[in-house]
Amino acid sequence: EIVMTQSPATLSVSPGERATLSCRASQSVTSNLAWYQQKPGQTPRLLIYLASTRATGIPARFSGSGSGTEFTLTISRLQSEDLAVYYCQQYNNWPYTFGQGTKVEIK
Amino acid sequence: EVQLVETGGGLIQPGGSLRLSCTASEFTVSNNYMSWVRQSPGKGLEWVSVTYIGGTTYYADSVNGRFTVSRDNSKNTLYLQMNSLTAEDTAVYYCARHGQQLILSWLDTWGQGTLVTVSS
Repeated sequence: EIVMTQSPATLSVSPGERATLSCRASQSVTSNLAWYQQKPGQTPRLLIYLASTRATGIPARFSGSGSGTEFTLTISRLQSEDLAVYYCQQYNNWPYTFGQGTKVEIK
Repeated sequence: EVQLVETGGGLIQPGGSLRLSCTASEFTVSNNYMSWVRQSPGKGLEWVSVTYIGGTTYYADSVNGRFTVSRDNSKNTLYLQMNSLTAEDTAVYYCARHGQQLILSWLDTWGQGTLVTVSS
């Protein structure tokens, strides 16, 4: 099983600032990586797939990068509505696995 | 609107069984790869199963042999039959549609989830 490790566990960022979230895979997942956003009390929502492609309706301030084992989700100018837990997930190998999540707090 | 609605959750005693349903709107379940994902209270996400268009299903080791996925095409519904439940199975269960009709694909549509609580 591929282990996905996210860092940091919690990120506190001021509105308008950049947030950088990291995700590391225990072995290569090529570009088969997705990011999801889960706001408090809500269902996960797809943000990014194929490591860097924004899903339909996702604002341009969200961007993904990386390949192989190292990936990054960047929120370029954080807004208060971005308060959420962000999960990375690999779908390169079964069982598909999620990271443990990064909680983004508004400073 | 593309939508998934899960039902069937509830409180069940250890060792018991429960069947969850996932009904789709505006797309056909049998023409898509579908998954079940669960989230334990206050914890992260765990993949439970993935079902291919042809009906083949793969299960996580933690549920293999206890959980079974089936489909009713006439009702456009996916089911998760859960047997021999333990406290470790307590979670919100989501069904989700894959973003493309390939083995290697992300989840682009999620249901609202249904809570399963296993407790005596």
